[in-house]
Amino acid sequence: DGGITQSPKYLFRKEGQNVTLSCEQNLNHDAMYWYRQDPGQGLRLIYYSQIVNDFQKGDIAEGYSVSREKKESFPLTVTSAQKNPTAFYLCASSRWGRGGDEQFFGPGTRLTVL
Amino acid sequence: RKEVEQDPGPFNVPEGATVAFNCTYSNSASQSFFWYRQDCRKEPKLLMSVYSSGNEDGRFTAQLNRASQYISLLIRDSKLSDSATYLCVVTGGSNYKLTFGKGTLLTVNP
Repeated sequence: DGGITQSPKYLFRKEGQNVTLSCEQNLNHDAMYWYRQDPGQGLRLIYYSQIVNDFQKGDIAEGYSVSREKKESFPLTVTSAQKNPTAFYLCASSRWGRGGDEQFFGPGTRLTVL
Repeated sequence: RKEVEQDPGPFNVPEGATVAFNCTYSNSASQSFFWYRQDCRKEPKLLMSVYSSGNEDGRFTAQLNRASQYISLLIRDSKLSDSATYLCVVTGGSNYKLTFGKGTLLTVNP
């Protein structure tokens, strides 16, 4: 089955620690995205990548970093510089990464900072 | 004006009711429009794209009014399984970003 996987589903972190969230897709999509969702809020774009070895900051990139070394993978690192990291993190992909593409989402990772 | 603004809801309707959601967007250069559905604590899933001529998929009808920068979603004959949050989504004119509304929660009651 083609799709997007994210791991882990739940993640707990102590303040001051960096943590990396995994996102893998086998849809052969060029573009991948990371969003953050807070209660009662819309999804906000953290980073996106339209092609391997290239990525762009979204609206709320501060305190986050990404890499895109393989087409299938787009891991997100939440660093200790992120002030309010507790949130629901969603990874998505789209076929070409151009305007108008529908995006497909993974099941998400819930990060809680203790 | 917010980039994408939706009815705040929540909507509580009985089974079989017709319900309509509205959404306005601020970027007149926006090219593509979608409605996504998100179940509680799950990821968003595409419900339907919205085309200029309007489109229908079973009990769901989406319409776009570019002049008023407004899109709508109509659900007829509501089912219990329609209970979810409905997200209005708009792309920018020259970038690749999807902008999501905050969503409208629908609860269909037996």
